[in-house]
Amino acid sequence: DTGVSQDPRHKITKRGQNVTFRCDPISEHNRLYWYRQTLGQGPEFLTYFQNEAQLEKSRLLSDRFSAERPKGSFSTLEIQRTEQGDSAMYLCASSSTGVGKNTEAFFGQGTRLTVV
Amino acid sequence: DQQVKQNSPSLSVQEGRISILNCDYTNSMFDYFLWYKKYPAEGPTFLISISSIKDKNEDGRFTVFLNKSAKHLSLHIVPSQPGDSAVYFCAASAGNTGGFKTIFGAGTRLFVKA
Repeated sequence: DTGVSQDPRHKITKRGQNVTFRCDPISEHNRLYWYRQTLGQGPEFLTYFQNEAQLEKSRLLSDRFSAERPKGSFSTLEIQRTEQGDSAMYLCASSSTGVGKNTEAFFGQGTRLTVV
Repeated sequence: DQQVKQNSPSLSVQEGRISILNCDYTNSMFDYFLWYKKYPAEGPTFLISISSIKDKNEDGRFTVFLNKSAKHLSLHIVPSQPGDSAVYFCAASAGNTGGFKTIFGAGTRLFVKA
């Protein structure tokens, strides 16, 4: 296992279509995160899983967005009825829990979404 | 409300010299700080971190300094190399949250000239 893997790397879709992205985290990591990054900005937190439980969702995550991690391994992020404002890089990251300490997140290469 | 600010969008440094990237934060609850490096078409890569109980952490050519009273941290790269040219993100989190709710700055693009 060489790192966090995301698929696809690029997605171009027409406005109104649904898209789904997949993330495979580092195998021993039980925490998985989705971030969104737009041009000139840093990554913005979207949602977070610990094992299969989705524990937090940002207010950035509208009702059109849904994320799952059914078996506590890979995760999917679906965007329904895409809008041009959804165009961004979607980053997945994973980390392990550390008792009494913070652990850094390891990022995948991202999925670049373009809504036309 | 930008809780983590990197006020310099870009920095240009000559190879071999020191690069100093700065970051300010506003949330006094932050107790763990990280620097990530990002090359084009890749995700951010963890570089170095520091806990709020320390004021300095060093790893090879990279040193992070934390000034809690000023809510300021900086990343020093000595000596700078052309391969260091990338976007550097400062990030912060509160409590034992790992990447959870890690807040990122907007990034500083570093150019190291040969």
